[in-house]
Amino acid sequence: DTEVTQTPKHLVMGMTNKKSLKCEQHMGHRAMYWYKQKAKKPPELMFVYSYEKLSINESVPSRFSPECPNSSLLNLHLHALQPEDSALYLCASSQEGAGSGANVLTFGAGSRLTVL
Amino acid sequence: RKEVEQDPGPFNVPEGATVAFNCTYSNSASQSFFWYRQDCRKEPKLLMSVYSSGNEDGRFTAQLNRASQYISLLIRDSKLSDSATYLCVVKGGGFKTIFGAGTRLFVKA
Repeated sequence: DTEVTQTPKHLVMGMTNKKSLKCEQHMGHRAMYWYKQKAKKPPELMFVYSYEKLSINESVPSRFSPECPNSSLLNLHLHALQPEDSALYLCASSQEGAGSGANVLTFGAGSRLTVL
Repeated sequence: RKEVEQDPGPFNVPEGATVAFNCTYSNSASQSFFWYRQDCRKEPKLLMSVYSSGNEDGRFTAQLNRASQYISLLIRDSKLSDSATYLCVVKGGGFKTIFGAGTRLFVKA
């Protein structure tokens, strides 16, 4: 079983809906990430939180709004999405610093989003 | 130029074959290097980290050449279960972790 848990596994929403994706990890990792992956493409970085503060925003449209309530949780709030936003949204976490295992991303199973 | 570039796929090989994947990266300040494996409709999973001294894990050998900004993965004695997409991953300073486009491997009986 993955140590990063994402919910829901599948989500279908209309362009006027507001929904949220949730991610949780209990490995003590202090960096958490959102990636977007389209079919047959690699994951694309969206956001990074480090110690609960937004560290990277890769020029993501404002209809995607990340939130990090605490060091174990990461949310992605969705509003007024477009059909082209349909994709697999992957959450990941990592233990930063030196030593083996540092900087390795551990992914959740993903939330597959369909926007109608 | 893409930040991380990989061999175009797919690679179709018979069981037992040896197959090599290559990857180049553009940021000379990159600090950490990895190979991930991704099965169809699943999340990426770490295959192995890549070190300058080279490292081996069973049938898998990874190499890093910092001077040439080049990473490789060698799979010996391919198994059917090795069929997947192999992603070259590079991390610079900070948290920016970039994935290559991936190389699809099909191992056939």
